[in-house]
Amino acid sequence: DQQVKQNSPSLSVQEGRISILNCDYTNSMFDYFLWYKKYPAEGPTFLISISSIKDKNEDGRFTVFLNKSAKHLSLHIVPSQPGDSAVYFCAAGYNQGGKLIFGQGTELSVKP
Amino acid sequence: AAGVIQSPRHLIKEKRETATLKCYPIPRHDTVYWYQQGPGQDPQFLISFYEKMQSDKGSIPDRFSAQQFSDYHSELNMSSLELGDSALYFCASSRRQDNYGYTFGSGTRLTVV
Repeated sequence: DQQVKQNSPSLSVQEGRISILNCDYTNSMFDYFLWYKKYPAEGPTFLISISSIKDKNEDGRFTVFLNKSAKHLSLHIVPSQPGDSAVYFCAAGYNQGGKLIFGQGTELSVKP
Repeated sequence: AAGVIQSPRHLIKEKRETATLKCYPIPRHDTVYWYQQGPGQDPQFLISFYEKMQSDKGSIPDRFSAQQFSDYHSELNMSSLELGDSALYFCASSRRQDNYGYTFGSGTRLTVV
């Protein structure tokens, strides 16, 4: 039962363009959503988060959009840089301080 | 800034052996989480501790046990290892009041042969 789904295993984008990574979830109890970036053999690194009471959160080049009615969130990276190439995980949680449920990850490749 | 420290970084064990993974959280973090990431898989929650008490349990096999000590470090003990236990094991810590302010360690790569 995959409660958090990232249906695109990979995405390739040209440097300077926008990267859009998508995530769908099934559990309406989730109240917090996070995006993590991960390099091989390293732990996930926090990127940006959004509470379920918001529909948008922005931090520099990264913006997360949340559509609660569609149970969908997306991460926009503008402009994309080669250093952004990594695996991006969407994660969701409920109950403050509780466990996170991760999606399967999307491997982003930004080409110079 | 101090991060979450995991040891060892790499571990090779034979089937049916035991393994102990250690996690040292960021100072003043009161919650520790363990996740398992198999090859090509997403991280799966195993178990968590808040103030040295087990707070939640996920898909952790009965062969595994964990605890959090008085200094807040945590150990994941794995017995009767199977080939399928080969994975990256991540520890994360947070302060409960910080609402998912997780910081992950670099992980321990366990290979069972």
